Amino acid sequence: AQKITQTQPGMFVQEKEAVTLDCTYDTSDPSYGLFWYKQPSSGEMIFLIYQGSYDQQNATEGRYSLNFQKARKSANLVISASQLGDSAMYFCAATDKLIFGTGTRLQVFP
Amino acid sequence: DAMVIQNPRYQVTQFGKPVTLSCSQTLNHNVMYWYQQKSSQAPKLLFHYYDKDFNNEADTPDNFQSRRPNTSFCFLDIRSPGLGDAAMYLCATSRMAMGERRLFFGSGTQLSVL
Repeated sequence: AQKITQTQPGMFVQEKEAVTLDCTYDTSDPSYGLFWYKQPSSGEMIFLIYQGSYDQQNATEGRYSLNFQKARKSANLVISASQLGDSAMYFCAATDKLIFGTGTRLQVFP
Repeated sequence: DAMVIQNPRYQVTQFGKPVTLSCSQTLNHNVMYWYQQKSSQAPKLLFHYYDKDFNNEADTPDNFQSRRPNTSFCFLDIRSPGLGDAAMYLCATSRMAMGERRLFFGSGTQLSVL
């Protein structure tokens, strides 16, 4: 069975600062993928970034980067230069069917 | 633009009255998923179709059924909705090819049960 753990129910960050959202995972699959999705209050799930378990380098997508530490089974999301529009729920998820963590609510303040 | 479309955006039904939620996709993806998301919780996978093969999660109640008449459409049927079934229902698709594992989500249907 796979399990995704997000230990931060809520995070606050000031605009233009960087923030790290934590995610640890537990899977027995030899090959897996890790995702981060953003869910604003409107409800849609917005894909942010993907990391494959065999990828040699950490994934980056614009202001988003993934700090992937395979030995520690962690896949933390780093958002640089936070914007007010980044305020949302953030979910970490793994593998093909996307088992989700419980999410972190990020609030960006001016 | 290619996308995943869910209708309706909001659905109200009565306790025990069958309801159907719909999802369509123009991405030609071979896998379609249904998730249930209750307030302040993570999305929970109910079932998915890999092409025509139906895959039910072990803890999905029998009250929930699904149909996929063709590649583009997938339906979620709730045979006798209870108050506890009020939730956001998210449809998603993926191509399930090597190196392509991203899920594409629709905007969801918010179901209320009166």
